[in-house]
Amino acid sequence: DAKTTQPPSMDCAEGRAANLPCNHSTISGNEYVYWYRQIHSQGPQYIIHGLKNNETNEMASLIITEDRKSSTLILPHATLRDTAVYYCIVREGTGRRALTFGSGTRLQVQP
Amino acid sequence: ETGVTQTPRHLVMGMTNKKSLKCEQHLGHNAMYWYKQSAKKPLELMFVYNFKEQTENNSVPSRFSPECPNSSHLFLHLHTLQPEDSALYLCASSQDLGGHQETQYFGPGTRLLVL
Repeated sequence: DAKTTQPPSMDCAEGRAANLPCNHSTISGNEYVYWYRQIHSQGPQYIIHGLKNNETNEMASLIITEDRKSSTLILPHATLRDTAVYYCIVREGTGRRALTFGSGTRLQVQP
Repeated sequence: ETGVTQTPRHLVMGMTNKKSLKCEQHLGHNAMYWYKQSAKKPLELMFVYNFKEQTENNSVPSRFSPECPNSSHLFLHLHTLQPEDSALYLCASSQDLGGHQETQYFGPGTRLLVL
C-alpha cells in the first residue's frame, strides 16, 4: 500500500472549516484514500473514502487532486467535538490486507 | 454507537493471570480484526479473521490467542502477559476484506493494564 504523509498537528477555530492535507505521491490506480479519526481513548471512527472523484457525506468532504497524489479532508464547520487524531490511509482496492494506520494529524479545535 | 461492542472496557491483570477480551458485532459483517494501540504509538494490526478463518497474524506473541467461533464474535485470550502488553485493544469489523467493502467499524476498546 502507498505511504502517506500528514502534518503531525493542526489548529482550527471553532465554526471554521478544518482542512487536513495528506500526501500520497506513490498512490497507484486501484488504491483508495480512506480517512478515519480517533477521539482520545476511543476506537477509530470511519469518516469517508474515495478513489478518484471528490466525495461528500454528512461528516466531511474529501477532495482528491487530479493526479491523485494528494487529498484534503474538509470538516466544514469544526466543533470542539472534532478535536481528534485524523488518519489518512491509502490501500489497494483488490488486496486482502487490512488497513494500516500511521501517526495521523492531531487536530485541535479552539473555542 | 458503531454496532461493535467490546467487554470489558477496562481490565487490570497480573502477569500470571488468564483473561479473555470479547468483541461482538451486530452489523452482519464477515471480517473481524484485533488491533493493539500502545501509548504514543500508531495502531498495530494483530489478527484478521474472515468467515471465521484467520487470514492474518502479524507476528503476535503466543501469549495472545485469538478465537473466532462465528462471524459475529471474536475473542482474545490472554495468558502470562508482560507489563509492556498494557495498551488499548481494539476490535473492528468490516463487510469483507478488500476493496471499499473493507470500511472498518471499531469498538470502543478494552484498556488493559498488566501489573
